[in-house]
Amino acid sequence: SQQGEEDPQALSIQEGENATMNCSYKTSINNLQWYRQNSGRGLVHLILIRSNEREKHSGRLRVTLDTSKKSSSLLITASRAADTASYFCARGTHTGFQKLVFGTGTRLLVSP
Amino acid sequence: DAGVIQSPRHEVTEMGQEVTLRCKPISGHNSLFWYRQTMMRGLELLIYFNNNVPIDDSGMPEDRFSAKMPNASFSTLKIQPSEPRDSAVYFCASSFSPGPSSYNSPLHFGNGTRLTVT
Repeated sequence: SQQGEEDPQALSIQEGENATMNCSYKTSINNLQWYRQNSGRGLVHLILIRSNEREKHSGRLRVTLDTSKKSSSLLITASRAADTASYFCARGTHTGFQKLVFGTGTRLLVSP
Repeated sequence: DAGVIQSPRHEVTEMGQEVTLRCKPISGHNSLFWYRQTMMRGLELLIYFNNNVPIDDSGMPEDRFSAKMPNASFSTLKIQPSEPRDSAVYFCASSFSPGPSSYNSPLHFGNGTRLTVT
């Protein structure tokens, strides 16, 4: 499969805890993006990390990228009930024009 | 600013009928994507356009599917004839791409059209 694969498939935590989601991929990338999807809604872009970057932060989000292992992780610190959603990684390819291939997603449940 | 607008929000139709899904991308965006989401296959890229020109339609499942982008502010995805296995949520997304060698720009998704074919 050319898709990225997230793990775990599902994650259940309590408010205040950190949530870590991982993404692996098989072919080379020039960037990797993370998206959130709330139930019944479209995906919302969270953060983009380029292939020459190793770590990026945005608010409570921290993304790392290890191109040698072809993997990325998304850390949400001090989670809130509102973070409950599905999270997807999407890899950008070197094909020139825009083309993102999405992974299978991690369903995160944050309980109050 | 208005986001990506898709219509209808829900569509229920009988097998064999023609279905047309519509999308209005964000003004100024020059790339448009159609994705399909199902529990079994996840999010699949069907086709994407750059400057109204189809660049890659390798994800279109078969000839029953067709997509058009007559201008920068409108795109359609048509299924004719529809089949029960086409039931899914269809998303349209848009982005601004400075050029073919640039990094991927973030996609802006609409809220999707939930298609049910009985």
